[in-house]
Amino acid sequence: ETGVTQTPRHLVMGMTNKKSLKCEQHLGHNAMYWYKQSAKKPLELMFVYSLEERVENNSVPSRFSPECPNSSHLFLHLHTLQPEDSALYLCASSQDRGSRGYTFGSGTRLTVV
Amino acid sequence: DQQVKQNSPSLSVQEGRISILNCDYTNSMFDYFLWYKKYPAEGPTFLISISSIKDKNEDGRFTVFLNKSAKHLSLHIVPSQPGDSAVYFCAATNFGNEKLTFGTGTRLTIIP
Repeated sequence: ETGVTQTPRHLVMGMTNKKSLKCEQHLGHNAMYWYKQSAKKPLELMFVYSLEERVENNSVPSRFSPECPNSSHLFLHLHTLQPEDSALYLCASSQDRGSRGYTFGSGTRLTVV
Repeated sequence: DQQVKQNSPSLSVQEGRISILNCDYTNSMFDYFLWYKKYPAEGPTFLISISSIKDKNEDGRFTVFLNKSAKHLSLHIVPSQPGDSAVYFCAATNFGNEKLTFGTGTRLTIIP
C-alpha cells in the first residue's frame, strides 16, 4: 500500500465505549498529525507528532489520547466521548513543509450516539 | 480567532467558465499558502501552492494569486470542468513550521 491509510472508515460508538482509530503512512515521512473536521468549521489540528514525539496538543480534551509507537503508525484512542465529538477525523503526514504540504488519509467518519 | 478565512461557503459555476475561490488571512507571519481539494469520503489532496516571494503560480488550469498587502489569495480554475466539483480548502503556514492552518472550505459545483 502507498500513501496514508486510515482504519476504520466509519465508526459508530456509544458514549461509554472505548475505541481506537489507526493511521499508517508508507511515505517515509517524519511527522504525523490528527485533524478534526466538523461541519462548517475549519480543519482543526488536534495533535502533532514529529520523530515520534508529541510536539503539539491543541487543548484537546483528555478523552482523546494519541499514540505514536513509530514513525509509520499513529493511533487516536477514544473513550467516554460526547455526541459533539462526532466528526471526520483525518490523519496526515509530512516530510518538512516542502511544496506539497501534507498527505492526508481518507479519514474516519465517527458518530457518537 | 480564525486566521484563515474562506467567506464563501459555496460557489456554482457553469462548465467552461472561470471559477474564482477566495481566501483571506490575518497572520502576517504566514509565508506559504496551499490549496487542497476534497471529494466526499476522501481526504484532502494537495492542488497548488505559492510562496510569499511570488504573487502568482500557475499549474495547468489552476492559478493561485497572492496579494500580500491585502492578505488575500485566490484560486482560479479555467476552464472549469465537472470533475472540479469538490470542497476547496485554503491553508497557510510559515517556513519551518510543520503546522498548516486551514480555512473552512468552499464547496464548488460545476454546472454542466
